[in-house]
Amino acid sequence: SAVISQKPSRDICQRGTSLTIQCQVDSQVTMMFWYRQQPGQSLTLIATANQGSEATYESGFVIDKFPISRPNLTFSTLTVSNMSPEDSSIYLCSVGFGGNTEAFFGQGTRLTVV
Amino acid sequence: AQSVTQPDIHITVSEGASLELRCNYSYGATPYLFWYVQSPGQGLQLLLKYFSGDTLVQGIKGFEAEFKRSQSSFNLRKPSVHWSDAAEYFCAVGPLNRDDKIIFGKGTRLHILP
Repeated sequence: SAVISQKPSRDICQRGTSLTIQCQVDSQVTMMFWYRQQPGQSLTLIATANQGSEATYESGFVIDKFPISRPNLTFSTLTVSNMSPEDSSIYLCSVGFGGNTEAFFGQGTRLTVV
Repeated sequence: AQSVTQPDIHITVSEGASLELRCNYSYGATPYLFWYVQSPGQGLQLLLKYFSGDTLVQGIKGFEAEFKRSQSSFNLRKPSVHWSDAAEYFCAVGPLNRDDKIIFGKGTRLHILP
């Protein structure tokens, strides 16, 4: 299992600014995932972050808008850049161990852009 | 293509009544299946999972789910719901290996009538 700490838990930001979300895991994991959950919607994968290499982004998401860092096996950050009200969402960090294991999620960061 | 379908966006049941949430999947190989619950303002919590073996799996909070390969379904059930069960429920499939991502359904929001 894994315990994931994500912060901040919520924030209200001005449009045009950037916010960096941190994700700390209590055990070493190879893959970390960042999801976005827009209001009333399901989870959409933004990118997969592998330690020591560039993150892999899903269709519709780009590195300039959502830069990700993965400096070690227990930590990752997601930055939401040049924010607009459309970026208002819950952002969730997730880890998985592959094979027959489930994914574990942080509590999420509720972002409101005004 | 891999996909998960939850045909019911909203379901309303009375407290004490039985519940069944539907989930159908499309996956290229034997799937690993999950049900997650998201309470208001909370992250995702795993209710139960299926990898192999007995097709009826028991989870936390009195939930169970049955895997039916012939119907490509993994429906979630509870014999008697409690007001605290009001939440969003997500069905998911995967990952098969370390690099796979979990695919989520769009979710079913459960409302409980007193």
